[in-house]
Amino acid sequence: EAQVTQNPRYLITVTGKKLTVTCSQNMNHEYMSWYRQDPGLGLRQIYYSMNVEVTDKGDVPEGYKVSRKEKRNFPLILESPSPNQTSLYFCASRRRHQETQYFGPGTRLLVL
Amino acid sequence: GQQLNQSPQSMFIQEGEDVSMNCTSSSIFNTWLWYKQDPGEGPVLLIALYKAGELTSNGRLTAQFGITRKDSFLNISASIPSDVGIYFCAGQLSTGNQFYFGTGTSLTVIP
Repeated sequence: EAQVTQNPRYLITVTGKKLTVTCSQNMNHEYMSWYRQDPGLGLRQIYYSMNVEVTDKGDVPEGYKVSRKEKRNFPLILESPSPNQTSLYFCASRRRHQETQYFGPGTRLLVL
Repeated sequence: GQQLNQSPQSMFIQEGEDVSMNCTSSSIFNTWLWYKQDPGEGPVLLIALYKAGELTSNGRLTAQFGITRKDSFLNISASIPSDVGIYFCAGQLSTGNQFYFGTGTSLTVIP
């Protein structure tokens, strides 16, 4: 089954404790993105990647890091999480030149 | 970043009623997209629009790409309970690889 998977689905952590949210897709898509969803703000793009080893900042990259060492994986790293990073995070992937993005199920993060 | 204003923010309607929502931007977009998000899940693409004036249907859903290329509209006819969810518009500029999302319209359908 074609899908985007994220882990963990739920995470509670404390300020400053490094964490990684994994994202994996099995559709051989070139493009992958991370979004955060906050009430009243919709989805905002954090980072995106156009292919292996090619990443770029989205609208809200501060406090986040990403890497794209393999085509299927695009982890999101929070080196020193803060409470304002409490949010619902989505990973998405798509083919180059196509608009259809496939979203993962989301990761709900609470930073205390 | 780009700002997409989506309205209304929320809607409560009776089953069987028609629904209209819209999205406006200060920028010209090359592509407009409409997504639906069910509770606890990621957004799923409903309709994609590629040129100004385009009107596209997907079952009971109809979306239009505004003539000015700065707005888009989504209509749902004869709503049913499974239409409940959050609807997002999204736009893509002619340059760049980013998609910009609207703030969402939360739809509740009362049986």
